Amino acid sequence: GAVVSQHPSWVICKSGTSVKIECRSLDFQATTMFWYRQFPKQSLMLMATSNEGSKATYEQGVEKDKFLINHASLTLSTLTVTSAHPEDSSFYICSARADGGRGVPYNEQFFGPGTRLTVL
Amino acid sequence: GESVGLHLPTLSVQEGDNSIINCAYSNSASDYFIWYKQESGKGPQFIIDIRSNMDKRQGQRVTVLLNKTVKHLSLQIAATQPGDSAVYFCAENRGSGGSNYKLTFGKGTLLTVNP
Repeated sequence: GAVVSQHPSWVICKSGTSVKIECRSLDFQATTMFWYRQFPKQSLMLMATSNEGSKATYEQGVEKDKFLINHASLTLSTLTVTSAHPEDSSFYICSARADGGRGVPYNEQFFGPGTRLTVL
Repeated sequence: GESVGLHLPTLSVQEGDNSIINCAYSNSASDYFIWYKQESGKGPQFIIDIRSNMDKRQGQRVTVLLNKTVKHLSLQIAATQPGDSAVYFCAENRGSGGSNYKLTFGKGTLLTVNP
């Protein structure tokens, strides 16, 4: 089956520093990936749509200069939380929409295991 | 605005019983719906999906029912097991065609299975 990985799985950082989270589709290509944020006991909230070779599309209320997204290849998207503050502490989850091929259903989204960010 | 919501935030059942988790959606343009299971500290796991041209779809121990008239979606789990304990989310998508592949998630229902 299609697998999406995230790295790191958890990170603790000091306030004011930047943190990069990677999202990789391991055995399929994904032109489109999505980044979600989930606070404790809440649902997943879409932050942005990451498109390979073009700028990300951010949801209303999400600061693009604070959450930098780079979709460098068909298997990798990164989310950088710049100048992180305690209120940015959350569970960040990515998903990858399969381009199809090699038995992976076209258009189906596969989720990563999430990254727990704690900002002190 | 667009939203996908749930009637019950928590559900507690006995092992072996059937579970029913409900979801209401408000976007009549949605034509594809998915149920996800999320265990603590993990990402969502696909359970079953259904397109708007169907009323019912069955999987292994799970059934999804779609009532487009009242914009209601439900997930039925047969013979619930302790391993089914998790938070369950419904999500809506406008499906293939066009550029909108975004998912909107409901609030989630915490299912607890008592042994």
